[in-house]
Amino acid sequence: EAQVTQNPRYLITVTGKKLTVTCSQNMNHEYMSWYRQDPGLGLRQIYYSMNVEVTDKGDVPEGYKVSRKEKRNFPLILESPSPNQTSLYFCASSRDRDQETQYFGPGTRLLVL
Amino acid sequence: SQQGEEDPQALSIQEGENATMNCSYKTSINNLQWYRQNSGRGLVHLILIRSNEREKHSGRLRVTLDTSKKSSSLLITASRAADTASYFCATDDNYGQNFVFGPGTRLSVLP
Repeated sequence: EAQVTQNPRYLITVTGKKLTVTCSQNMNHEYMSWYRQDPGLGLRQIYYSMNVEVTDKGDVPEGYKVSRKEKRNFPLILESPSPNQTSLYFCASSRDRDQETQYFGPGTRLLVL
Repeated sequence: SQQGEEDPQALSIQEGENATMNCSYKTSINNLQWYRQNSGRGLVHLILIRSNEREKHSGRLRVTLDTSKKSSSLLITASRAADTASYFCATDDNYGQNFVFGPGTRLSVLP
């Protein structure tokens, strides 16, 4: 089944404790992206990747890192989480840079205390 | 940067009525997409309309695009309670790389 998976789905952590949210897709997609969703703000893009070893900042990259060592995986790293990073995070992928349909993961709810 | 912005923010209608949501954006685009999100879940792609298209249909969905006004509308005909969700428009930026979503329209269809 074609899908985007994220782990964990729910996470409660404390300020400053490094964490990684994994994202994996099995559709051989080139383009992958991370978003955060906050009430009243819709989805805001954090980082995106056009292909392996190619990443770029979205609208709200501060406090986040990503890597794209393999085509299927695009982890989101919070080196030192802060309470303002409490949010719902979505990973998405699409076939190529022509921005065809994006397939979204189920989301990761993060609470930073 | 907020590229797409939906209007209204919330819409409540009766089952069987039509629902219309609008999206405005600021810069030129390659395409515009509409997505649906059930509460707290991932987004599901509904329809894509390219910048050289003016109207597109998919089942009960009708999307229009007016590039001169930098706006799009999503029409859901004969709405059902199951259409209750948030609807987002998304546009690519000038370079076709960055994707920007609007804040969404919350649609409630009452039985």
